[in-house]
This record gives sequence, structure tokens and C-alpha cells, in this order.
Amino acid sequence: NAGVTQTPKFQVLKTGQSMTLQCAQDMNHEYMSWYRQDPGMGLRLIHYSVGAGITDQGEVPNGYNVSRSTTEDFPLRLLSAAPSQTSVYFCASSYATSAAGELFFGEGSRLTVL
Amino acid sequence: GESVGLHLPTLSVQEGDNSIINCAYSNSASDYFIWYKQESGKGPQFIIDIRSNMDKRQGQRVTVLLNKTVKHLSLQIAATQPGDSAVYFCASRVGGKLIFGQGTELSVKP
Repeated sequence: NAGVTQTPKFQVLKTGQSMTLQCAQDMNHEYMSWYRQDPGMGLRLIHYSVGAGITDQGEVPNGYNVSRSTTEDFPLRLLSAAPSQTSVYFCASSYATSAAGELFFGEGSRLTVL
Repeated sequence: GESVGLHLPTLSVQEGDNSIINCAYSNSASDYFIWYKQESGKGPQFIIDIRSNMDKRQGQRVTVLLNKTVKHLSLQIAATQPGDSAVYFCASRVGGKLIFGQGTELSVKP
């Protein structure tokens, strides 16, 4: 089972560049979410989706866009990268529509913005 | 705002001893709690969960205790093994969102 797959695993950007972090799950989960992890800050919710066509903001949404055109995919877009967005990003999915159940996490994408 | 905190950032135990990792949450409306384990370079993995209408739940070598009166939960690991070395996160659900704590790093001494 692939589970939750994130690409790329590592990325270096210059300030102002744009990029998309890809996330795909093959478990037919309705709920998908993006977190960022910074030292001493734990995991902070960026955006989440309870199903195709539906997205909502989490704790730290500024500077990030998401879309959910299919059940399987939930890409995270940085339109104009800033050094403050240097972090490890995790995509997670759940069978429940309100994160009621177990969240399955990807392996993470480490982003450095210079 | 919401916060989920942990009492200690690091915990060191002897192999074979029991470990207790504590967590405090701020919102009394939290209705669901989860513990995750994160090994270096990997994503968090689910350990155990508990709903707010329970005060204890047991898994394999792990027990979660919930005290809603003082908004506190703990994760107990029995007979801690070297493979238990990792960062442990608690998370609480409020309004459909999971809010994570900062994590406690557990080190197991052989």
C-alpha cells in the first residue's frame, strides 16, 4: 500500500519563487490536510479539505493555496516563497470527514527558502 | 487561542522501565485526543486515541489517561524499549480541527 505520497522530498527555493508540493493518497480518504513542522512549534495546520471541491483554512494559511479537484490529490501551492516558509511540510489524510479518526501522514517534504 | 502543551520537552528512561508523557490542553470543548509517535526523518504515526467520554484506553503496551477536570492527558508506555525512542505528540480536536502539541523527545537508555 502506498498510503500518503508526498513529492518532492527536498526542495530549495529562492525568495519570490513559486512551487507546488504534491500529495496523493490511495486510501479513498475524504479528509486531507497540510501541516508544517518547525522546531519547538509542533505541527501547525495550514489548510484542510473534507472532500473534493471543499477546502478550508487552518491555523497558518497565509502564503499558501490549496485545491481539491479529486479525492486522491491535495496539492499545496506557494505563490511567492519567503524565508519564513522554510519548514518541513506534512500531508495527512483520514477516513473521517472531521479528522475524527487516525490521521495517516506522508513522509514529509523539506523546503528551504533562501 | 488554542494550545496544546507538553510538560517536558525531553524524557530519558532506562530500558524496561515505564514511561509517562504528559500533555495539557486549553479548550474544554475538545472532544477527541490522539497520541502520535514520530521517528527521525519520518512522518508521525498514530499510537492511540481516546474520546472525551472516556477516561482511560489501553493498547498494546500503551495506555492513555484523560482527566477532563484539569484538561490533562498522559501516555504511558510499559516496559520501554529502544525502539520507543522518538518524539511523541499529543493532539486535541476542537471544531473538527486537530491541534498538536510541541512534542516530547523520549530517549531510552540501554
